Amino acid sequence: DTGVSQDPRHKITKRGQNVTFRCDPISEHNRLYWYRQTLGQGPEFLTYFQNEAQLEKSRLLSDRFSAERPKGSFSTLEIQRTEQGDSAMYLCASSLGGATNEKLFFGSGTQLSVL
Amino acid sequence: GESVGLHLPTLSVQEGDNSIINCAYSNSASDYFIWYKQESGKGPQFIIDIRSNMDKRQGQRVTVLLNKTVKHLSLQIAATQPGDSAVYFCAERAGRRALTFGSGTRLQVQP
Repeated sequence: DTGVSQDPRHKITKRGQNVTFRCDPISEHNRLYWYRQTLGQGPEFLTYFQNEAQLEKSRLLSDRFSAERPKGSFSTLEIQRTEQGDSAMYLCASSLGGATNEKLFFGSGTQLSVL
Repeated sequence: GESVGLHLPTLSVQEGDNSIINCAYSNSASDYFIWYKQESGKGPQFIIDIRSNMDKRQGQRVTVLLNKTVKHLSLQIAATQPGDSAVYFCAERAGRRALTFGSGTRLQVQP
C-alpha cells in the first residue's frame, strides 16, 4: 500500500452517463497526477496539479474530462457523456514535486467499464 | 482484479536465475528514469530510479543500467523469485515534464 487511495475501485456505467473518481494522495505530497492505462499499454499522462493549480494537461484530456483539486489535497476526475473508448484503468499518483528525482507513488486505480 | 498487459512481450525465467529487462527510449532530453513493477489489479510500484548523470545504480537485488549513447535502459533482477512475476515498465522524464511510460514487459518466473 503506497498511501494513495482511489475510489471507487471499479465503476460500470452506460454510455452517455457521467462518472466521477476520487483520489486521496499521500498527505504531505504537493503534486497529484492522473494517468490512464488500457490493456497491454503503459500508463498515459492526463494531467497534474501542484497544490490546487492544474499545471499541465495532455491532449488526451478532451473537453469531456475535467479534474479538480480544490484545496490542494484530494482530487476528482470527472468524465461527462462517457464513451466506450473511455473504458480503462484511471490511475492517480502523488509526489513531492520540485526535485529532479521526483518519484511518483501510484494508487491501485479505478477500473472504468463503459457499456 | 484486471489483468495488465495481455499482449506484452514476455520474459520467462527459472526461479533463482537472473533476469534482464530492456527498455529503449527516444527522447534525448530525458534526464531521469524509473522502473516500475505492476501486479495484476494494482497500480505501478516504484522499484529503482537513475538520473542521466549516472550509468549504473544498485538496489536490493536490482540494478539499473543506463546507456545514453544508444538510449537504452535495463533492469537486472538477481536471484529472481516467484514474487517478482509482474509487468515491468520503464518511465522517463525530460526536465519538468510528466513521466512518460514505455509499453512494458511481462516477467514470468517458473518455480
